[in-house]
Amino acid sequence: DAMVIQNPRYQVTQFGKPVTLSCSQTLNHNVMYWYQQKSSQAPKLLFHYYDKDFNNEADTPDNFQSRRPNTSFCFLDIRSPGLGDAAMYLCATSRSGGGTGELFFGEGSRLTVL
Amino acid sequence: GEDVEQSLFLSVREGDSSVINCTYTDSSSTYLYWYKQEPGAGLQLLTYIFSNMDMKQDQRLTVLLNKKDKHLSLRIADTQTGDSAIYFCAESLTGGGADGLTFGKGTHLIIQP
Repeated sequence: DAMVIQNPRYQVTQFGKPVTLSCSQTLNHNVMYWYQQKSSQAPKLLFHYYDKDFNNEADTPDNFQSRRPNTSFCFLDIRSPGLGDAAMYLCATSRSGGGTGELFFGEGSRLTVL
Repeated sequence: GEDVEQSLFLSVREGDSSVINCTYTDSSSTYLYWYKQEPGAGLQLLTYIFSNMDMKQDQRLTVLLNKKDKHLSLRIADTQTGDSAIYFCAESLTGGGADGLTFGKGTHLIIQP
């Protein structure tokens, strides 16, 4: 009964070859996030969707894009992966409008760039 | 600006208490959280504390918040091998979760037999 599901769990791509990571949720949360996590570093927020509104962090490279076709799904597109983009990518959801602000995370997608 | 600091490693003996510390910079934080990450997995919420509280206890976990010093700690009583993981401190400014959380780098908890 996983609530935030990420696919694939492991992705290997070649330098410069586009890759798409997917995230789906059964929680009906209106906010969805993508974080990048490198070894021994804090998870770094790339962007988030508040309902249909896209919010990009100021330092997120243009190489990273996102789509949210409906409430349940969100995609992370990396247009031309570089070696420095190898990382764990974490999708998370939350419900806005009060409450504890807890984020619910998926298991992550580990990207390797050859 | 937002910044969350944690030490990278903590080693304790099985059965002892573990205390993981965190400092944050933004006094506007409304909620503070502790997340646990096991190898190859996502982050799982362990516990949280609202900024107007000093302490919260939940079974083996005790969270202490010193708002004046902007210091948060997580105490795990009777540490077990299953507690071996990375523990992340995080803060939320909005409380409603819409802007996401700011995380520390995580503390690797190592359990010695």
